[in-house]
Amino acid sequence: KQEVTQIPAALSVPEGENLVLNCSFTDSAIYNLQWFRQDPGKGLTSLLLIQSSQREQTSGRLNASLDKSSGRSTLYIAASQPGDSATYLCAVDGGGFKTIFGAGTRLFVKA
Amino acid sequence: NAGVTQTPKFQVLKTGQSMTLQCAQDMNHEYMSWYRQDPGMGLRLIHYSVGAGITDQGEVPNGYNVSRSTTEDFPLRLLSAAPSQTSVYFCASSYSVGGNSPLHFGNGTRLTVT
Repeated sequence: KQEVTQIPAALSVPEGENLVLNCSFTDSAIYNLQWFRQDPGKGLTSLLLIQSSQREQTSGRLNASLDKSSGRSTLYIAASQPGDSATYLCAVDGGGFKTIFGAGTRLFVKA
Repeated sequence: NAGVTQTPKFQVLKTGQSMTLQCAQDMNHEYMSWYRQDPGMGLRLIHYSVGAGITDQGEVPNGYNVSRSTTEDFPLRLLSAAPSQTSVYFCASSYSVGGNSPLHFGNGTRLTVT
């Protein structure tokens, strides 16, 4: 059974710092991995999707990497801003029409 | 472009009552799904559909029913609400699965069962 873990559960950093969020999964047989952002009281917004054949994806200040063999993905946020404060979730599509989510990392960027 | 629309935003039920959570998408997505989100547990899949007339169970289907009569709509029915069903419910859709199609989420329905 696929399990997705995100560490740390919460993170507080000063504005301007570069940071890395971690996601690990137990079964390397995946189709893709997605990173989402969730603001309080809102739904999830897709940030980046990495297909199983890819190693990384970039969008603006965000860069996500995927290492299937070790069951790990990282989300790198460059030059963090207070507006980046949110919960970040990773999710793995392992087939069978079921996407499995981690519990998320709550990020707070201090001005 | 509305995306994924969920109604209502908030609902309070008494134990034993029934209700339907509505979900509609206007992106012609074949895949739709329902998740519940509980503190510290992430999102858990309740039911999903790969097209009109086709539904299947996810990780936590007990106490919930779904149907998919059209591509656009995927309602979730609580047959007899229980306090354990207090949660935030999210509907999601995507063009396909297993490839390069991201999941699109609605803004959720916050349900409290007393």
